Amino acid sequence: DGGITQSPKYLFRKEGQNVTLSCEQNLNHDAMYWYRQDPGQGLRLIYYSQIVNDFQKGDIAEGYSVSREKKESFPLTVTSAQKNPTAFYLCARDRGAESYEQYFGPGTRLTVT
Amino acid sequence: QKEVEQDPGPLSVPEGAIVSLNCTYSNSAFQYFMWYRQYSRKGPELLMYTYSSGNKEDGRFTAQVDKSSKYISLFIRDSQPSDSATYLCAMSEVNYGQNFVFGPGTRLSVLP
Repeated sequence: DGGITQSPKYLFRKEGQNVTLSCEQNLNHDAMYWYRQDPGQGLRLIYYSQIVNDFQKGDIAEGYSVSREKKESFPLTVTSAQKNPTAFYLCARDRGAESYEQYFGPGTRLTVT
Repeated sequence: QKEVEQDPGPLSVPEGAIVSLNCTYSNSAFQYFMWYRQYSRKGPELLMYTYSSGNKEDGRFTAQVDKSSKYISLFIRDSQPSDSATYLCAMSEVNYGQNFVFGPGTRLSVLP
């Protein structure tokens, strides 16, 4: 799975609850990304981080938050402010600048009812 | 108009057929083009990468880029049931991951 561990594979939450999705990589790569995938739509970038303690908003960051306290870890929190949180969430890594090869984790399917 | 478009399929072909998967795009500044394969409930895996126009071949897979028509293709020769997956194209102006734009994917079924 591209050197990325995502857990859990399936996650169920009640509306109004925050939930944190885990993403870990063990290849010492600098750059990590969170995408959201919905049926009929391309992957959309939520947040990305090029180095520890720094991250940037992607195209659809509203209702999400991240942290990058360690190089190997980039957890994503889906907050209660996210209007439509049910989706397939994918974490990816690459070597940073000058690197076109993104490697994706197995994904987490989040269902909020 | 979406920035990157793909026929969603599903596309069903018999085993051994040649498959053509296509993407069109509107941004003429795109110059890095990727194809990913995604099995059901899995993360995408990078299949092919091309820079600018031209062809690239890797085993049964050939990627073509026609920048003048803003059109890219992935050809699969001698298709196998194991090729059944969703194929995503992605493209970027620069080779920085945060700038990738993904197509919605084409679902392919190769029937034995």
